[in-house]
This record gives sequence, structure tokens and C-alpha cells, in this order.
Amino acid sequence: QKEVEQNSGPLSVPEGAIASLNCTYSDRGSQSFFWYRQYSGKSPELIMFIYSNGDKEDGRFTAQLNKASQYVSLLIRDSQPSDSATYLCAVNPTGTASKLTFGTGTRLQVTL
Amino acid sequence: GAVVSQHPSWVICKSGTSVKIECRSLDFQATTMFWYRQFPKQSLMLMATSNEGSKATYEQGVEKDKFLINHASLTLSTLTVTSAHPEDSSFYICSARDFGLAGYNEQFFGPGTRLTVL
Repeated sequence: QKEVEQNSGPLSVPEGAIASLNCTYSDRGSQSFFWYRQYSGKSPELIMFIYSNGDKEDGRFTAQLNKASQYVSLLIRDSQPSDSATYLCAVNPTGTASKLTFGTGTRLQVTL
Repeated sequence: GAVVSQHPSWVICKSGTSVKIECRSLDFQATTMFWYRQFPKQSLMLMATSNEGSKATYEQGVEKDKFLINHASLTLSTLTVTSAHPEDSSFYICSARDFGLAGYNEQFFGPGTRLTVL
């Protein structure tokens, strides 16, 4: 079982719609969760992090964490073509100091 | 804030030569830096964790004698790919953790270095 799992996609949504990206993780003791955006040929860019169960909102982005279900998601409201990228979920597993384990990423395509 | 730079952004070298990549945190101190490698259409794979003033910790399967890491200051870490071979061609990305954000684990990434070994 992979430590961090994401659907590779592509996930295609029309402009203006809500994009929902999902991630599950295997280490129940994980404490920190991150979403990164990576454009083709570029390095990852931090979008959001979340530590507590529930929702965390930042502009058009909302991260949702459910530790009981070992599930973290990212919602993108009013999706724009510029949101088209690969979204990487990263988890800080138990006892690994500040190391992050990345999922393989979900490719999002926002269509006009 | 939280800007990380890498140099060079791309490099082409001959097989058997060594290549050094620099990673700098420009506006914060980074006690810990990380080196990743990413092959096309794959996710980031952590190669090693670099701590200022101590030896790097390598992930399983990464040859420490081939990928030399030095973290001489709180703002600079270097990765040297020794005796490079075509299979080492990849996108190398460093990241840094902001020491000032104690208790948080966000990593800020450099722009990456694309290495091509002929």
C-alpha cells in the first residue's frame, strides 16, 4: 500500500466549477498535511497546509482533513484555466521530523 | 518571504564528469534542506535530508558516495553528482524548512535544476 495515494487523473472541470482533489494516507499518526501545485517543468509551489480536522479556507482554496478516515482533500472554487496543473498531496509521517512523503499527484485540467 | 534559489537551472554534462548544484535560502535560515529527484511524469522522490553542520541522511537506495551533499551554512546546501551517467539525467529540486517557523513543517522549493548527461 502506498503511503500517500492520489488519483492521477486527469480531472477535467469547466471554468468556474469546483474542482475536488482527494488524497488518502496510510500512517494514522501523521500530523501535517500539505497541498502543492506543480506546473509542467516547474518545481512545486505550496498552496495550503492543514493540521487539524475540519476545513481550512484560503481564498478560492479549501483544504479538508479527516484524520479518522485518513483523508485530506483540496477544493478549488471558481476554477480558472491557470489552475491547470498537477496537485501534489504531501504528508509528514510520524517520527520523520520534517520529512514529507508525496503522492504521485492529480493532474487538473480546467476547460474553457 | 521563503524564497529558495537553485543554481544552475539547467546543465548538460558528459558522462563521467561531476556536477554541483547549489541551493540557497534567500530570506530565511534553513537548518534543514531536502534534495529530491523527479523523473518525467513521476512524483518527487526524496534523496536525502541535509542538516546544517552535520552529515546528510540518505534515503534507502540512494548512493551517498555518488550524490555528495554539503550543508555548510544555514543558507546553503550543495548536491554534487559524481561520475554522472545518462541514467542520472533528471530534474533535481531542493527544498528548505524555515527555522523561524518552529513547529511547522512546510517546505519551500527551489526552482529546480534540470540535469542532462550525455
